[in-house]
Amino acid sequence: EAGVVQSPRYKIIEKKQPVAFWCNPISGHNTLYWYLQNLGQGPELLIRYENEEAVDDSQLPKDRFSAERLKGVDSTLKIQPAELGDSAVYLCASSGQYNEQFFGPGTRLTVL
Amino acid sequence: KQEVTQIPAALSVPEGENLVLNCSFTDSAIYNLQWFRQDPGKGLTSLLLIQSSQREQTSGRLNASLDKSSGRSTLYIAASQPGDSATYLCAVTALLPLVFGKGTRLSVIA
Repeated sequence: EAGVVQSPRYKIIEKKQPVAFWCNPISGHNTLYWYLQNLGQGPELLIRYENEEAVDDSQLPKDRFSAERLKGVDSTLKIQPAELGDSAVYLCASSGQYNEQFFGPGTRLTVL
Repeated sequence: KQEVTQIPAALSVPEGENLVLNCSFTDSAIYNLQWFRQDPGKGLTSLLLIQSSQREQTSGRLNASLDKSSGRSTLYIAASQPGDSATYLCAVTALLPLVFGKGTRLSVIA
């Protein structure tokens, strides 16, 4: 069974540029999460989807961040414009039975 | 607001030792607790999931316990190996999805 797939693995951009991350969850998992992880910290939730509906986006900085999950499968997280402080690892996870979460490898974003 | 604390922040042990990692949480109204492993530059690997009605889970050399009333969980690693070196994170699910601790960075010295 394939795990959670994320791309790209690494991204380097200049500040004020847009950037997008893509996630493909484990097949059959209805719940999808985007997390942000700073160095030396645990992941922090940005947004949670139940199928195609965003049910928890209270931690998403909506002035510059947006996300979508079309057809309740793949998801895209976008930042526009990126700021220096957005440099971090962006993790996608999905969950099925018992809410056990499985994570993708993450996208490491560097904003110059 | 749920807060998760992991102690110690870092731990270095010789190969073969048994060790215990600690996790505490402030709100005992949780649905489950999950232990993860994270290797440098990698994503999180789920190790064990303990549902709120359970007291412990075992997988190979790993045993995790949960005491909801005291807000504590421990991860026991038996006969540690250099390949166990990684950061171990615990996370709890309550009304909101996973709230993570900052992790314990484990180094097992050959």
